[in-house]
Amino acid sequence: AQSVTQPDIHITVSEGASLELRCNYSYGATPYLFWYVQSPGQGLQLLLKYFSGDTLVQGIKGFEAEFKRSQSSFNLRKPSVHWSDAAEYFCAVVDSGAGSYQLTFGKGTKLSVIP
Amino acid sequence: DGGITQSPKYLFRKEGQNVTLSCEQNLNHDAMYWYRQDPGQGLRLIYYSQIVNDFQKGDIAEGYSVSREKKESFPLTVTSAQKNPTAFYLCASSTSTGTAYEKLFFGSGTQLSVL
Repeated sequence: AQSVTQPDIHITVSEGASLELRCNYSYGATPYLFWYVQSPGQGLQLLLKYFSGDTLVQGIKGFEAEFKRSQSSFNLRKPSVHWSDAAEYFCAVVDSGAGSYQLTFGKGTKLSVIP
Repeated sequence: DGGITQSPKYLFRKEGQNVTLSCEQNLNHDAMYWYRQDPGQGLRLIYYSQIVNDFQKGDIAEGYSVSREKKESFPLTVTSAQKNPTAFYLCASSTSTGTAYEKLFFGSGTQLSVL
């Protein structure tokens, strides 16, 4: 079964610092990969997705992510964090070969931002 | 504005009681989903529906039931058989095409607690 690992439960960064959130997947076929963000008590919002093509994808709010097949990773990055980026971030994967409608989510990384 | 509406925002259940969570969307999406979110556990799929009058179990369907009588509505019933119902419940929808998982739109959630 596919699985998604987000090794960092909680990360704290200073405002203006760079950010990298890690995501690793366990999967045989070509995965479809996603990053979602959730503010407290709210639903999730799609930041970016990777299906194929350029392995560096740009998303909303200045985020980007790079797909590295050799490392089974899809890490999320932002060059300069803003206080409003404090939230929980979820990596997710879909089996592109199974016709599945089911996203498998990681357990999330909570981001705190120090002013 | 188009979107997904979940109600109520907070819900309390007594022992042995069934409760129903509402989810309505005006996005004209064919596919709808229910997720359960526990702290530190990410999102887990309860049920999903790709078309009216049809739905499938997700990973944790036991103790839950759904119906899909209208395209716009996908209510979730938490039955008395669900012994640990306290969680944050998220409803989502997407277009039902070959890439139905391409982007999920989420509601703002219902927090269910046991009295």
